[in-house]
Amino acid sequence: DTEVTQTPKHLVMGMTNKKSLKCEQHMGHRAMYWYKQKAKKPPELMFVYSYEKLSINESVPSRFSPECPNSSLLNLHLHALQPEDSALYLCASSQVPGLADNEQFFGPGTRLTVL
Amino acid sequence: QKEVEQNSGPLSVPEGAIASLNCTYSDRVSQSFFWYRQYSGKSPELIMSIYSNGDKEDGRFTAQLNKASQYVSLLIRDSQPSDSATYLCAGGGGNKLTFGTGTQLKVEL
Repeated sequence: DTEVTQTPKHLVMGMTNKKSLKCEQHMGHRAMYWYKQKAKKPPELMFVYSYEKLSINESVPSRFSPECPNSSLLNLHLHALQPEDSALYLCASSQVPGLADNEQFFGPGTRLTVL
Repeated sequence: QKEVEQNSGPLSVPEGAIASLNCTYSDRVSQSFFWYRQYSGKSPELIMSIYSNGDKEDGRFTAQLNKASQYVSLLIRDSQPSDSATYLCAGGGGNKLTFGTGTQLKVEL
């Protein structure tokens, strides 16, 4: 199994809703990432988990809350989002945290729309 | 200077030609580089990694790294319409990648 999966593919939520994005990989990778991508822009790093521990938070607003329940799963909990948070949310994984040649593999993404 | 810079394009090449995509980087970017292909509305797909000076070939793709000039390129031989996409250059590795803004490639029939 050489892929990263994400659910749901599409999500529409109101500004008062609470929802969660899920990511799963079974490649034995020990680093997992959340990125946000707006149209015609490159992916923007949000969070990094290394060995199931949060190692990087790129000053992301607290309405985004990441969670790594185990080495295969990564969640992103969403609460009180704003319309400008609408974007493609990408999960990625890589084999060993911290290596210079660490290839990151992306999941298909969740297209989020905040009304 | 941005850390990783790419020409946004679009770069148009005829079918069967060689497409040449270029990327420059600053001193603050470490020495591992990655090329991702991203189709419209889809996620980035890793197509090449390069860590040392010189060329690396994989099928129709060749990545080139010149550390002295701080320059990375991707050559696509025998370009096909299915190669039409945005190509993202990324530098770094470790736990952080720095992405360029991407070059849109159009392969015309």
